[in-house]
Amino acid sequence: DSGVTQTPKHLITATGQRVTLRCSPRSGDLSVYWYQQSLDQGLQFLIQYYNGEERAKGNILERFSAQQFPDLHSELNLSSLELGDSALYFCASSPRTSGSSDTQYFGPGTRLTVL
Amino acid sequence: GENVEQHPSTLSVQEGDSAVIKCTYSDSASNYFPWYKQELGKGPQLIIDIRSNVGEKKDQRIAVTLNKTAKHFSLHITETQPEDSAVYFCAARRGSFNNDMRFGAGTRLTVKP
Repeated sequence: DSGVTQTPKHLITATGQRVTLRCSPRSGDLSVYWYQQSLDQGLQFLIQYYNGEERAKGNILERFSAQQFPDLHSELNLSSLELGDSALYFCASSPRTSGSSDTQYFGPGTRLTVL
Repeated sequence: GENVEQHPSTLSVQEGDSAVIKCTYSDSASNYFPWYKQELGKGPQLIIDIRSNVGEKKDQRIAVTLNKTAKHFSLHITETQPEDSAVYFCAARRGSFNNDMRFGAGTRLTVKP
């Protein structure tokens, strides 16, 4: 158990809908990362938050957004969903935003299925 | 940007044999190379990592080697056990920012009892 929790575990929805994925980082970790894992794209970095502020953006679509709250949990919002958004979404956390000794700890993921 | 290629995509070995997974990277500025193990229904878990100032690192049955000149690194698992069956991902990071990590496509390792 990495100490990172994600809810829900599974999510099934229809095209055009909006969903929210939730992540709680390890106790004390300030940095949260979101990743998308699909069969044909592998693990892709989406976005990073550090202590409530956005720090970096990766391959995140404009239909997707995220935020990190004062208690450090984070939410990833996916809107106008398309079939191609079906994937596993992982959250990872680390103590800082950078540092040669920092390790990312991954949560168990949320499997999103768009029908 | 950084591109990480991983081979093979699937690997099947007999229990007790060794398994080797190889990755190549494109950016010579990459300096941190972690390996993750992902079991079914779980998130990736760090199993070993190596930094660019080291050529080899070992942890019990797992070892990683790095060839900076050739820009490739490998994961070696000896005396494989059925519980080693999982998907393994390599990654490469430039600088010291975790948001600059690039992952390989993964290798599905099956260890037959």
